[in-house]
Amino acid sequence: DGGITQSPKYLFRKEGQNVTLSCEQNLNHDAMYWYRQDPGQGLRLIYYSQIVNDFQKGDIAEGYSVSREKKESFPLTVTSAQKNPTAFYLCASSFGQGRTGELFFGEGSRLTVL
Amino acid sequence: DQQVKQNSPSLSVQEGRISILNCDYTNSMFDYFLWYKKYPAEGPTFLISISSIKDKNEDGRFTVFLNKSAKHLSLHIVPSQPGDSAVYFCAASVGGYQKVTFGTGTKLQVIP
Repeated sequence: DGGITQSPKYLFRKEGQNVTLSCEQNLNHDAMYWYRQDPGQGLRLIYYSQIVNDFQKGDIAEGYSVSREKKESFPLTVTSAQKNPTAFYLCASSFGQGRTGELFFGEGSRLTVL
Repeated sequence: DQQVKQNSPSLSVQEGRISILNCDYTNSMFDYFLWYKKYPAEGPTFLISISSIKDKNEDGRFTVFLNKSAKHLSLHIVPSQPGDSAVYFCAASVGGYQKVTFGTGTKLQVIP
């Protein structure tokens, strides 16, 4: 079954620790995205990648880092520099350039900083 | 700067009636608009989209209207069903594939 898999679903982190959220897709999509959801703020774009080995900052990239070494994978690292990391993180993918902007989302990862 | 705005955080509608969810945008470069539905603790799922060359798009019970001059779009759900209760996000992009900007969402409750 084609889809997007995010892991872990729940993650707890102590202040000062880096954590990496995994996102894998088997839809053969070129583009991948990371969004963050906070109550009352909708979905805010952290990073996106239109092609392997290339990615761009979104609206709230500070304190986050990504890599895109494989088409199927787009991991997100939440660094200790992120001031308010507790949130629900969503990974998405789409066909990319020349196609419609419909995004397919994973189930999300909830990160809680203790 | 919120480029996509959903000014109603919540909406309650009786089952069988019409639900109208509204969305405004400020970036005149947006040319592709989408609506997503989201249940708690799940990822959003795509509902319906519209290109700026159209002013209406229908898919079953869902219709999206686009008013480019007013920079406004709306989602109509007719008839509304209890299973439609969810948070609805409006989204927009330039060129249909670049970064997609989402609104803050409207929580719809359909009362049986």
